[in-house]
Amino acid sequence: SQQGEEDPQALSIQEGENATMNCSYKTSINNLQWYRQNSGRGLVHLILIRSNEREKHSGRLRVTLDTSKKSSSLLITASRAADTASYFCATDAGVTGGGNKLTFGTGTQLKVEL
Amino acid sequence: NAGVTQTPKFRVLKTGQSMTLLCAQDMNHEYMYWYRQDPGMGLRLIHYSVGEGTTAKGEVPDGYNVSRLKKQNFLLGLESAAPSQTSVYFCASSYSLQGRVFGSGTRLTVV
Repeated sequence: SQQGEEDPQALSIQEGENATMNCSYKTSINNLQWYRQNSGRGLVHLILIRSNEREKHSGRLRVTLDTSKKSSSLLITASRAADTASYFCATDAGVTGGGNKLTFGTGTQLKVEL
Repeated sequence: NAGVTQTPKFRVLKTGQSMTLLCAQDMNHEYMYWYRQDPGMGLRLIHYSVGEGTTAKGEVPDGYNVSRLKKQNFLLGLESAAPSQTSVYFCASSYSLQGRVFGSGTRLTVV
């Protein structure tokens, strides 16, 4: 079953604009992670935010987490054509039964046009 | 530093054939994972390992087996391939509770 659900499913913006993607989840988490996947490639880890954190920055990326609403958002500022990719949120419920299982959403397809 | 390497990158199997996908990591990570990615489904965990000699079932383990005989390697086996196993398979590794490092994937088609 999918824990994280991204919204929107697809997003098209112009270069230089900001892109915002949202993720909602259902159960308690230890941390939430965002990944990028370029077409035909593997996933690349972007940022991890722990359940006791509310906001985190990494370069042009800003992630927020609201555990009361079970939601997170990823903001990409000043987007570039190279940001065109699918973006996935993934929730980590922590170490249970000896292992930690990351549950992925279905992703947001971002297209940045020149 | 190669990260996570998957072989092969592409494979076509006939129904009923068997094969093994190899994953190797050079980061000394304890945790390794196998996922499959299907259109509209996101990534789903097949099996995972928390250390050498240990494996555990994920969300969709049926039809697959795994082995972790060496810390750096994690093998995924299909004993009798079925068309429903047509997918893109990703291996990943990590330290506990940290971001995963993914391989570039194996595109498998079962006809």
